[in-house]
Order: sequence, then C-alpha cells, then structure tokens
Amino acid sequence: QKEVEQNSGPLSVPEGAIASLNCTYSDRGSQSFFWYRQYSGKSPELIMFIYSNGDKEDGRFTAQLNKASQYVSLLIRDSQPSDSATYLCAVIRGSGNTPLVFGKGTRLSVIA
Amino acid sequence: DGGITQSPKYLFRKEGQNVTLSCEQNLNHDAMYWYRQDPGQGLRLIYYSQIVNDFQKGDIAEGYSVSREKKESFPLTVTSAQKNPTAFYLCASSYSTDTQYFGPGTRLTVL
Repeated sequence: QKEVEQNSGPLSVPEGAIASLNCTYSDRGSQSFFWYRQYSGKSPELIMFIYSNGDKEDGRFTAQLNKASQYVSLLIRDSQPSDSATYLCAVIRGSGNTPLVFGKGTRLSVIA
Repeated sequence: DGGITQSPKYLFRKEGQNVTLSCEQNLNHDAMYWYRQDPGQGLRLIYYSQIVNDFQKGDIAEGYSVSREKKESFPLTVTSAQKNPTAFYLCASSYSTDTQYFGPGTRLTVL
C-alpha cells in the first residue's frame, strides 16, 4: 500500500461547479496534512494545511480531514479555469520531525 | 524580497559529468529539502537537512550528494553515478519539519 494515494485523474468539472479532490494515507499516526497546487512546468505552491478532524475553510477552498478513515479531501467551490492544475496531497508521517510524503497528485481540468 | 531561489533554471549535463544545483533561502528556515519530480510523478525526497552541518538521506539518495555549511544554502550535486538524472529538481525549506515552501525548480537534462 502506498503511503499517500490520490486518483491521478484527470478530473474534469465545468466552470462554477465544486471540484472534490481526495487523498488517503496509510500511517494512522500522521498528524499534519497539506494541499499544494502545481501548474504545469512550475513548482508546487501551498494552498492549505489541516491538523484537526473536520473542515477548514479558506476562501473558495475547504480542506476536510477524517483521521478515523485516514482520509483528507480538498473542495474547490465555484471552480475557475485558472484552477486547472495538479493538486498534491502531502502528509507528515507519525508524530512529526520527519519530512513530508507526497502523493502523485490529481490533475484537475475546469472546463469553461 | 524573502524567498527561495534556485539556479540555474535549466541545466544540461553530459555523460560522466558532475553538476551542482544551487538552492538559497532568506526565510531563516531551519530545514531544507531536495526533491526530484519525473513527468506525471509525485515528488520523491532525495536529501534533507534540519540543521547546519547535518543532513539525512531521503528515499532516492543514491547518485546525489549535498552539503549544509550555511543555514541559507543547501546545494545538491548530481554525480556521474546517477544513471538517469533527467528530471525537475525542487528545493524546499521550512521551520523544523512543518509547512514547506518551494523554490522555482531546476530542470536538468542529460545530453
């Protein structure tokens, strides 16, 4: 089982819809979870981080964490063509003091 | 301007040649990292350093070497022992091992 798994996509949604990106992780002791956006040919940029169970909202983005199910998701409301990118889920294993482990990313395409 | 810089943006290596990729940060971050990204793949950790003069191997350290003589700098050398070095190389930094911020990357191609 891979440590951090994401559906590679592409996930296609129409402009204005909600895009839902999912990520599962294998280390039950993981404490910190991150979402990065990566445009083609560019480096990843941080969108959100979440540490506690539940939802965390920042503008059009909502991160959801369910530690019991070892599941973290990212919702993008009112999707725009500029949101088209690859979204990387990353996890700090165990109790911390270790580097991030990244999933392979989900490619999102927002259709105008 | 605060941030992470990487140079060069593009680098070409001949067979049997060692090359060094630069990474500098002025964010006063303690930890620095090197990742490799191949097309359609996620990021794989090469080396990381949590403090000056100390570093640890990541998942794919073979054929690479690093140094951490200054807090601000974490250069990566791709040696001739690395048989398939063509990739996008990303440097990142963070306070301890929390949220990482990435530099713009170096694209290395073997001729």
